[in-house]
Parts: sequence; C-alpha cells; structure tokens
Amino acid sequence: DQQVKQNSPSLSVQEGRISILNCDYTNSMFDYFLWYKKYPAEGPTFLISISSIKDKNEDGRFTVFLNKSAKHLSLHIVPSQPGDSAVYFCAACFSGGYNKLIFGAGTRLAVHP
Amino acid sequence: DAGITQSPRHKVTETGTPVTLRCHQTENHRYMYWYRQDPGHGLRLIHYSYGVKDTDKGEVSDGYSVSRSKTEDFLLTLESATSSQTSVYFCAISVRGTGGGYEQFFGPGTRLTVL
Repeated sequence: DQQVKQNSPSLSVQEGRISILNCDYTNSMFDYFLWYKKYPAEGPTFLISISSIKDKNEDGRFTVFLNKSAKHLSLHIVPSQPGDSAVYFCAACFSGGYNKLIFGAGTRLAVHP
Repeated sequence: DAGITQSPRHKVTETGTPVTLRCHQTENHRYMYWYRQDPGHGLRLIHYSYGVKDTDKGEVSDGYSVSRSKTEDFLLTLESATSSQTSVYFCAISVRGTGGGYEQFFGPGTRLTVL
C-alpha cells in the first residue's frame, strides 16, 4: 500500500510555461515533505521542502504547496527550462521517525523548446 | 555535495554470490540510509543507521544486511545475491534543513546486476 503517490508518470511542458507536479499521501502523521530531482546516472538531488505547519514554500523558480485537508502537495516550476527535464520524486517523513523518507514513484518531466 | 561516495559504482555478479556495497561520508553525519530504486517504485528504504553499531530494518530489508563499525562507513551486504536484487542502490545521509525538518542527501549510486 503506497503511502505516497505520484499518479502522473510523465509530464510534457513547453519551455517558459509552468510545470505542475502533483503528489498525494495517505498518512496524516507525515509532518515534513520534500521534492527531489533526479538526472539519469546520478543520485537524487534535494530541491525544496515544506513543513506541515506551512501551506507554501518558495525558492526561486520552485514553489511547493501543501493542502493538508486534501493530503496533497504540488511542485510548481515557473518558468520551466529545458534543464529542468528530469524525474521528480515527492517524499514524506515523520520528524520523530529517524527521518526515514517514504518516496513516490516519480514523475518524468520533459521541457521542450 | 554532502561528501558521500559509493563503491563500486557498477557491479555485475552471479546469482548466489555475496556482494558488499560501501557508502563513505566525510562529514560525520549520524544518520545514514540505504535505498534501492526500481522502475515504478521510486526509492525504497532497505536499512538505516542512527549511529555506530546502531542499525534497523527498512521497508525492503529481506536478503540484505548492514554494518556500521565507524561513523564514516555504512556497508550493505547481499549474502546471496538473487536476480530480484538487480537494482540501483543509493546511500544517503540526513541533515537538519532550514525548513525545520531533516533533509537527505544522496550519493551517486551503485548499479548492481545479478545474472
């Protein structure tokens, strides 16, 4: 039973437009959420995070939104660039659980010119 | 760069042979993790460590063991490799982030093929 779900395996976006990646979770005990970006043959790279006490966190072109009542978070990338083409993983954790992360299956983003 | 290296980076082995993967970190982090990445599954936690000689099982620990005899090294052992353990293995460390929680940083990965 997947506790963190990314229902879109892939997303294609034109350069300069907004990319929106979605993630749903089932466990209400999660209190910290993270997004990672992964290029082929490399390890995942931390992108942005959000605590459950917030509903938005922004870092440059990247914004994460958290809707706790819907158990849903999303990552917005504006404007999208070809270098953003990668697999994006959503992850969640309990702050008191040895910081173990539960990952979604990932969404492959393709940004085309 | 969290100073994490993994060795080997690639390995091909045969079913039934033992395999050990090494994760090395240079910044004295307390928490270390081993994940495997498979298509359709994202990353799944195999084992983790919260200090020297302190380890515990993760979500997919069957067929794997770990050891941490010193802070900087976290070893993952497949006692008798099977084809189902063909995967990409990532090591990670945990660091307190600015957002109030802990963020994990990953090594470059080891691609293991079991024939």
